[in-house]
Amino acid sequence: AQTVTQSQPEMSVQEAETVTLSCTYDTSESDYYLFWYKQPPSRQMILVIRQEAYKQQNATENRFSVNFQKAAKSFSLKISDSQLGDAAMYFCAYRSVNNNDMRFGAGTRLTVKP
Amino acid sequence: DVKVTQSSRYLVKRTGEKVFLECVQDMDHENMFWYRQDPGLGLRLIYFSYDVKMKEKGDIPEGYSVSREKKERFSLILESASTNQTSMYLCASSLYAGWSYNEQFFGPGTRLTVL
Repeated sequence: AQTVTQSQPEMSVQEAETVTLSCTYDTSESDYYLFWYKQPPSRQMILVIRQEAYKQQNATENRFSVNFQKAAKSFSLKISDSQLGDAAMYFCAYRSVNNNDMRFGAGTRLTVKP
Repeated sequence: DVKVTQSSRYLVKRTGEKVFLECVQDMDHENMFWYRQDPGLGLRLIYFSYDVKMKEKGDIPEGYSVSREKKERFSLILESASTNQTSMYLCASSLYAGWSYNEQFFGPGTRLTVL
């Protein structure tokens, strides 16, 4: 079974600075999907960004971008110009192409300091 | 926008009680999921359903059962609640696997405390 590892339980960043959250995964598949989800305190989990494995170009969504290294099985999330509203738990997730279910990492709690 | 709702945000039950957690989605999604979220463990899949009356065990099904009588509704049942089932429970839904990214949409969660 695929596993997803987030090695940073907690991270902090100064407002307006840039932070990178790490994610690695283990798979023998060549095609799959990767996701970053954000869970603000006491609020609903929402999708931040997604990436298809066969697309070489890194996904970007406004201040959020990923560094997808397929050979290294690495999928890090970069948050630029951090804002107080970015404070949340961030989960990395993996889904096989033909499977319905996802595998999640343990999460990284991001604190943004004013 | 997809909306996934859960019947309760907070729930307190006694050991041995039967507990029902309800989840409803309004986007005609085929798949529905139940996770529990614990600090340091991330989200662990309890059960999922890919169609009405169909269910599949996830990673930690012991002590839980599910019911899906209608496409939009997926219930998680704790037959006899125990203190180690105190947790945050998240429901999610998604389209069937063939639909591209097929990301999951989450409900707000139910924080269950078993005393």
